[in-house]
Amino acid sequence: LAKTTQPISMDSYEGQEVNITCSHNNIATNDYITWYQQFPSQGPRFIIQGYKTKVTNEVASLFIPADRKSSTLSLPRVSLSDTAVYYCLVGTPEAPGSARQLTFGSGTQLTVLP
Amino acid sequence: NAGVTQTPKFQVLKTGQSMTLQCAQDMNHNSMYWYRQDPGMGLRLIYYSASEGTTDKGEVPNGYNVSRLNKREFSLRLESAAPSQTSVYFCASSEARTGTEAFFGQGTRLTVV
Repeated sequence: LAKTTQPISMDSYEGQEVNITCSHNNIATNDYITWYQQFPSQGPRFIIQGYKTKVTNEVASLFIPADRKSSTLSLPRVSLSDTAVYYCLVGTPEAPGSARQLTFGSGTQLTVLP
Repeated sequence: NAGVTQTPKFQVLKTGQSMTLQCAQDMNHNSMYWYRQDPGMGLRLIYYSASEGTTDKGEVPNGYNVSRLNKREFSLRLESAAPSQTSVYFCASSEARTGTEAFFGQGTRLTVV
């Protein structure tokens, strides 16, 4: 499993764009990159997933350079409610009849200030 | 849609007592997972299951047992609870061949005194 490294914490102000970068130097050819968000006392929630280049949904964008050794989660115009822990995961889709070990690191605590 | 449902939401046990945490998913997913999360820490994988009748150890399996009763249900049992097992426990499920997207329950907050 590819190990990931991300900043422990980040602060931002309301209305700003926030970029959280994850390093995954040992990413394998079949690995996808997935980001989760976790609020206090809740289970993690899927935000976005990508394999290469750029992926955008209604919540965030994910930028993946050509070498795929890092990725950046971009949250546009954050609000106080975006204060949460953000986890970056790297792994492969499941083969039929098998499961993968989904391994979460310590994540990045994002604090949005008024 | 209920998604992933865990019961109970809260539990206090005395050291040495046993209990089973229940988890059920209604998304017809093949894979299910149990994690624990200690204060200020990330999630650590206890056990996971690819299908009914199959289970595998994760990062921290000691002191726990699991049962994949059917495709929907995956239970976690503490045979003799210890204070070190005080934690929040999350169950999750995912579907094969869809990257690493998983769906989590709301958690069970367990305190062992």
